[in-house]
Amino acid sequence: KAGVTQTPRYLIKTRGQQVTLSCSPISGHRSVSWYQQTPGQGLQFLFEYFSETQRNKGNFPGRFSGRQFSNSRSEMNVSTLELGDSALYLCASRPGGQTYNEQFFGPGTRLTVL
Amino acid sequence: QKEVEQDPGPLSVPEGAIVSLNCTYSNSAFQYFMWYRQYSRKGPELLMYTYSSGNKEDGRFTAQVDKSSKYISLFIRDSQPSDSATYLCAISRMNYGGSQGNLIFGKGTKLSVKP
Repeated sequence: KAGVTQTPRYLIKTRGQQVTLSCSPISGHRSVSWYQQTPGQGLQFLFEYFSETQRNKGNFPGRFSGRQFSNSRSEMNVSTLELGDSALYLCASRPGGQTYNEQFFGPGTRLTVL
Repeated sequence: QKEVEQDPGPLSVPEGAIVSLNCTYSNSAFQYFMWYRQYSRKGPELLMYTYSSGNKEDGRFTAQVDKSSKYISLFIRDSQPSDSATYLCAISRMNYGGSQGNLIFGKGTKLSVKP
């Protein structure tokens, strides 16, 4: 079974630009979560989508947004990029539903903002 | 106070040593306790998951949860150079309505096992 895939793997942008990152979950998984990882703050939760609906949201500004498509693939968008947005953006998928189940992480997209 | 605290290390041990990694958390509402391992340039992978207080063993790895003290630990026996990675503790809870809450991570401890 293929794992979680994220594209692109590396991205360089300049301040003020916007960026879209993509995540394809494991087949059959309906929940996709996004996390930001930085050396200073560690791994922080951005948002979770389940069946095309945002189910949970972290404490990030509105410049960070996401969506999920009917095939469970998800995208996240960051508008008006700031230097502090440089980070590893990780996507994780799991089956979803109302019991605990393991989140499987993708390799991440490394975003550098110049 | 942060919801979960983890000593960032780094931690360097000789091959064969017993490694102890620890986290504390602040809110007794958290019900699920996990340890993830992250190699350089990779996403985190789940090592251990526990729900209740007590110990859970998987090969050379033992996860321990003490809910009364809000303290979680990971022990690695007979450590190997291939165990060199960053280890992240994570906690979560069930939301009202039954959906699983998001993961809240410690900052990670970088472990180096020297041959």
